[in-house]
Amino acid sequence: SQELEQSPQSLIVQEGKNLTINCTSSKTLYGLYWYKQKYGEGLIFLMMLQKGGEEKSHEKITAKLDEKKQQSSLHITASQPSHAGIYLCGADWSGAGSYQLTFGKGTKLSVIP
Amino acid sequence: ETGVTQSPTHLIKTRGQQVTLRCSSQSGHNTVSWYQQALGQGPQFIFQYYREEENGRGNFPPRFSGLQFPNYSSELNVNALELDDSALYLCASTQGGTGFEAFFGQGTRLTVV
Repeated sequence: SQELEQSPQSLIVQEGKNLTINCTSSKTLYGLYWYKQKYGEGLIFLMMLQKGGEEKSHEKITAKLDEKKQQSSLHITASQPSHAGIYLCGADWSGAGSYQLTFGKGTKLSVIP
Repeated sequence: ETGVTQSPTHLIKTRGQQVTLRCSSQSGHNTVSWYQQALGQGPQFIFQYYREEENGRGNFPPRFSGLQFPNYSSELNVNALELDDSALYLCASTQGGTGFEAFFGQGTRLTVV
């Protein structure tokens, strides 16, 4: 069974709209990583969250890790075509900063100009 | 640009053959992890090397093996290739310890025919 669920699986938004992607873990998260991937290419690091309640922002992207450390959300404000791609969350469940990550299946984001 | 480089970028092999993929880690990073990403799926952890020793392994058969060299670059070897081995192979490098980011290379696209 999939222990790291991402929702939605795909998303189509009009340019300028806000959107949220969720990542839910069946186990406590000791580290949660968000990456963006263009089709068939490597993963681009976005943010890493470790502490419950932590929130980080970079440009128009904000990621949060809930207090119970079992869910994270990625929020994009005023989306642009450059935000299009596949967003992946990766979980570190080891508690030791192992970076042996389990990934969700990804959320495919399309932004219509 | 992450500083993690992988070679080759694309490769076509015949079932039953052997393949070696290479990864140069970012300067200062002593830990390299390998992932397999099938089409439409999130990356799956294969194994990790820390200071030239295997430091964890995912659910992959022994025909997937690896090496890490004194300069922390790494190789992934796959013997007796199967059609299902066709995937994007990604390596990620990080500095050992907690609180550090993990950066990915652009990947090697392996096609087994």
